[in-house]
Amino acid sequence: GQNIDQPTEMTATEGAIVQINCTYQTSGFNGLFWYQQHAGEAPTFLSYNVLDGLEEKGRFSSFLSRSKGYSYLLLKELQMKDSASYLCAVEDSNYQLIWGAGTKLIIKP
Amino acid sequence: DAMVIQNPRYQVTQFGKPVTLSCSQTLNHNVMYWYQQKSSQAPKLLFHYYDKDFNNEADTPDNFQSRRPNTSFCFLDIRSPGLGDAAMYLCATSRDVGGRWSPLHFGNGTRLTVT
Repeated sequence: GQNIDQPTEMTATEGAIVQINCTYQTSGFNGLFWYQQHAGEAPTFLSYNVLDGLEEKGRFSSFLSRSKGYSYLLLKELQMKDSASYLCAVEDSNYQLIWGAGTKLIIKP
Repeated sequence: DAMVIQNPRYQVTQFGKPVTLSCSQTLNHNVMYWYQQKSSQAPKLLFHYYDKDFNNEADTPDNFQSRRPNTSFCFLDIRSPGLGDAAMYLCATSRDVGGRWSPLHFGNGTRLTVT
């Protein structure tokens, strides 16, 4: 079966750095997405990785290792507004999106 | 601003009473999706339309139906809602660009309560 694994919850301090990991086993691979979802709201797109390596976009970076079936989302200079769930999703060989359940990130002052 | 709009934001219905959720988009995207998301769970794809072609996920209950009368609008009909259908329903769009990736654009969702 297809599977995405992420930690259920993480806690970090305002101003710090946090890394949210995602491992996947899917039928093929056409790319990996990270979405941010604030409580009670819809997901919003953060990043996309299809090649190995690091993609940096402001305070957020996303890393991919296809051989290890592994990605992480790195958030720097954490702000209170970063408190949200972070969803990892993989597009398989049939162009179907397989979603993780999300990691709830709690930021403390 | 181009966007995906879902109405209503909150919907309360009675057990067994049909309900329709609506979604409109001004992005002119050719693919539209309906997802169901329960608390602390991954979004679950119910249907998607590629232009007018309807694609039903194998495990979507028959209780759920969908219509896409034109490019801009899509509806989700729940014929006989049960308590287990209480969830956030998310509409999303994407643009097929011939194999290049395209992120999903979500509406704000409709939170359905079944009493």
